[in-house]
Amino acid sequence: QSVLTQPPSASGTPGQRVTISCSGSSSNIGSNTVNWYQQLPGTAPKLLIYRNNQRPSGVPDRFSGSKSGTSASLAISGLQSEDEADYYCAAWDDSLNGVFGGGTKLTVL
Amino acid sequence: QVQLQESGPGLVKPSETLSLTCTVSGSSISSGYYWGWIRQPPGKGLEWIGSIYRIGSTYYNPSLKTRVTISVDTSKNQFSLKLNSVTAADTAVYYCARNRYDWNYVSFDVWGQGTMVTVSS
Repeated sequence: QSVLTQPPSASGTPGQRVTISCSGSSSNIGSNTVNWYQQLPGTAPKLLIYRNNQRPSGVPDRFSGSKSGTSASLAISGLQSEDEADYYCAAWDDSLNGVFGGGTKLTVL
Repeated sequence: QVQLQESGPGLVKPSETLSLTCTVSGSSISSGYYWGWIRQPPGKGLEWIGSIYRIGSTYYNPSLKTRVTISVDTSKNQFSLKLNSVTAADTAVYYCARNRYDWNYVSFDVWGQGTMVTVSS
């Protein structure tokens, strides 16, 4: 059981905009910033978004993040087949623990 | 560019100690970043194990804290993970990563390829 809650799956068609949610509590998302990771099959995770809505160098602006209260969202616009992957949210918890969501498997139909 | 590479035994017996090393290339391990370990059981999600800054400043997952030690060897530009008293539940792919504490405590921006460790007799 993950501390952060994500839907197990999401899907969309090429060109579509999809969002993935991440729900936490006052001790993690409510008081700290949120990151998002993309994990392509058989590879290490890749940092996609940090500090709620910042993109590391090289991440396309099709990926965006937001946070409100104890929830956060990742939005992917102009969906592409190569976006098919697992997506994880992450946040620091005030119990001095780095916590992740259970992951959302994104399927591009 | 910065690269990380995990190394260590792929099979560990129950109750023994899991030991992994991460070799950093393209950057000095003393360059001001934190360095971390994350694991992923087969078919499951990610779990932060702990992070270290140079020598003496470590942060561990509370659920693993009694069994984990992370250390740094600046002369070899490596950092290491030791997890003792392992059980089958510790079977996972173990990743080492650079931890950008200046962004937030869960920012891992450079990852190793990961190494599978199986706990079995």
